[in-house]
Amino acid sequence: EAEVAQSPRYKITEKSQAVAFWCDPISGHATLYWYRQILGQGPELLVQFQDESVVDDSQLPKDRFSAERLKGVDSTLKIQPAELGDSAMYLCASSHTTGAAYEQYFGPGTRLTVT
Amino acid sequence: DAKTTQPTSMDCAEGRAANLPCNHSTISGNEYVYWYRQIHSQGPQYIIHGLKNNETNEMASLIITEDRKSSTLILPHATLRDTAVYYCIVRDYSGNTPLVFGKGTRLSVIA
Repeated sequence: EAEVAQSPRYKITEKSQAVAFWCDPISGHATLYWYRQILGQGPELLVQFQDESVVDDSQLPKDRFSAERLKGVDSTLKIQPAELGDSAMYLCASSHTTGAAYEQYFGPGTRLTVT
Repeated sequence: DAKTTQPTSMDCAEGRAANLPCNHSTISGNEYVYWYRQIHSQGPQYIIHGLKNNETNEMASLIITEDRKSSTLILPHATLRDTAVYYCIVRDYSGNTPLVFGKGTRLSVIA
C-alpha cells in the first residue's frame, strides 16, 4: 500500500537555527497539506498545495516559515530561525483532487524539539 | 475552530463495542461528517465518512441522526490496537479542503 513519506522522523535543534522537513506524497496525489500538531492538541493546517501552487497559507507564520513544492510532487517545509514554541509534530498529508471521499493520507510526521 | 464536540476520554473493554459520540449541531446541508483516528506517535488515519445515511466499512460503522446534529462511530469489537485519539470532523461537500481537528476523544481499550 502506498504511503506518504516524511523525513527526518525526529529533529532536535537549537533556537535560532534553521531546520527543514521533507515530504513525498502518494504518487498521483495533486493536493498536499502540511499540518502542525502541538502535544495534546489536534493537527492544525499550515499550508495547502494544489500541484505546485499554494492554495492556502493563511496560518503559516511567514516571517519564519516557508514551504515549497517546486515540481508539484515532493515538498519542503523550512523554519528559520527556529523558536522554542515551534516544538511540535509536523505532519504531511496528501489526497486526490477528485472523488467523493477526498481522504487525506498522513505521513508518520517529524517530531521537532527546539532547545 | 472545530465545529464538533466530543468527550475527552472513554474506556472500552476488549472485545466489546466502542461507541464514540460526536455533536455537530451547527452542521450545514453541504457538510459531511468524517472520522479519523491517531494512534500514539503516528499520523492520523481515515476511518469513515458520511452525509446523512448510516455507513459501514471494514473498520467501523457511522450512525448519523436524522437531524444530522450528532453522530456515533461504532467499533464493533474493540481490540487493544484500537486505543487511539478519535477525531470527528465536519467538512464541506466540495471536499478538497483542509481538515479542522478538535481535541478528539481518547479511547482506551482495556484487556
